Amino acid sequence: SQTIHQWPATLVQPVGSPLSLECTVEGTSNPNLYWYRQAAGRGLQLLFYSVGIGQISSEVPQNLSASRPQDRQFILSSKKLLLSDSGFYLCAWSVSGNSNEQFFGPGTRLTVL
Amino acid sequence: GQSLEQPSEVTAVEGAIVQINCTYQTSGFYGLSWYQQHDGGAPTFLSYNGLDGLEETGRFSSFLSRSDSYGYLLLQELQMKDSASYFCAVRGDNYGQNFVFGPGTRLSVLP
Repeated sequence: SQTIHQWPATLVQPVGSPLSLECTVEGTSNPNLYWYRQAAGRGLQLLFYSVGIGQISSEVPQNLSASRPQDRQFILSSKKLLLSDSGFYLCAWSVSGNSNEQFFGPGTRLTVL
Repeated sequence: GQSLEQPSEVTAVEGAIVQINCTYQTSGFYGLSWYQQHDGGAPTFLSYNGLDGLEETGRFSSFLSRSDSYGYLLLQELQMKDSASYFCAVRGDNYGQNFVFGPGTRLSVLP
């Protein structure tokens, strides 16, 4: 069966510090991978998605970046965090092609102080 | 661009039926999906409609009308555990590789 892991579960970082969130998927090959951010009580904002190793599409211009160094690994990074980067970060995967179902990881709750 | 609209909140009592509506605007349409998210948790997939009509999965059903750019999620025999946020979503304009979610509807089930 497929599983998706995210870490850390919670993170408190000062403004201006770097960020690295990691997501890994097990039990499937060549998945589509996604990073979302969710503000409290709000919807999901797609940040990045990837359909293959080294292929990253950005949905929203910001101070965040993403990388996919391996088939089932997706990393979200920032060189300098802003207060507005606080939120619930969710990684998700879907079967490549015409899948209509996404599977979400447990999420990382980031607070920038 | 794409956009989806949902009511922000819905309240109902245990055992009742509730309908959560979703209207969408998108240039390329690949179907409408629904997700459930409990407080502090991750979204989980509930259903998908690619064609017009009703899809039933246990107590939950989902409906789509492509001509009206409209769909709804129907929850029957409501239980307290159904209290959660519900999101509709469409696949995006980039060959359907990305997803766009609605703002979410918070359902509160009262005893």
